[in-house]
Amino acid sequence: GENVEQHPSTLSVQEGDSAVIKCTYSDSASNYFPWYKQELGKRPQLIIDIRSNVGEKKDQRIAVTLNKTAKHFSLHITETQPEDSAVYFCAASRLGGNTGKLIFGQGTTLQVKP
Amino acid sequence: KAGVTQTPRYLIKTRGQQVTLSCSPISGHRSVSWYQQTPGQGLQFLFEYFSETQRNKGNFPGRFSGRQFSNSRSEMNVSTLELGDSALYLCASGGGYNEQFFGPGTRLTVL
Repeated sequence: GENVEQHPSTLSVQEGDSAVIKCTYSDSASNYFPWYKQELGKRPQLIIDIRSNVGEKKDQRIAVTLNKTAKHFSLHITETQPEDSAVYFCAASRLGGNTGKLIFGQGTTLQVKP
Repeated sequence: KAGVTQTPRYLIKTRGQQVTLSCSPISGHRSVSWYQQTPGQGLQFLFEYFSETQRNKGNFPGRFSGRQFSNSRSEMNVSTLELGDSALYLCASGGGYNEQFFGPGTRLTVL
């Protein structure tokens, strides 16, 4: 069935360092990969997404890369700040009639130490 | 534009009861998806409604059901509540660009 594996489950970095979170998906028909940030007690917020016709997308300190052949995609955060501390979720879905069906990874708790 | 809203924000029920949760999507969005979030299972897809029709369904028992109204507002219902149904229930609103935006959630506690 559809599955998304996410690693690591926890990640602790020093402020200013980079953080990388990796996900692997099983459904080869998946072509839309969003990333969500969830702070404690708050709703998941979309921070970046990528479609399968693109290999990399960047937005300021955040970038996502996609390797369709290996069915891997990763989130890269550079120059981390304490406010980046949160739980990050990757997800996969199919564009079109199935975009509303997001299959999530298990989440990564990122701690940025000042 | 107003964001996704969910009511109520908190609910306490006892086993065997039923519950109805409500979600109002972003104005103009026609897709509403529902997710269950628990510490052990993470975020799991329940179902999606689009133009009043269930478009996708996850792997949850028939006790979980939903519907969508002509104004795109959606409700989900859980019947015969079990202790394991205690969770944060999130809805997500989808528009024309495929992004899904989440509401604040309803925290359901089953005693």
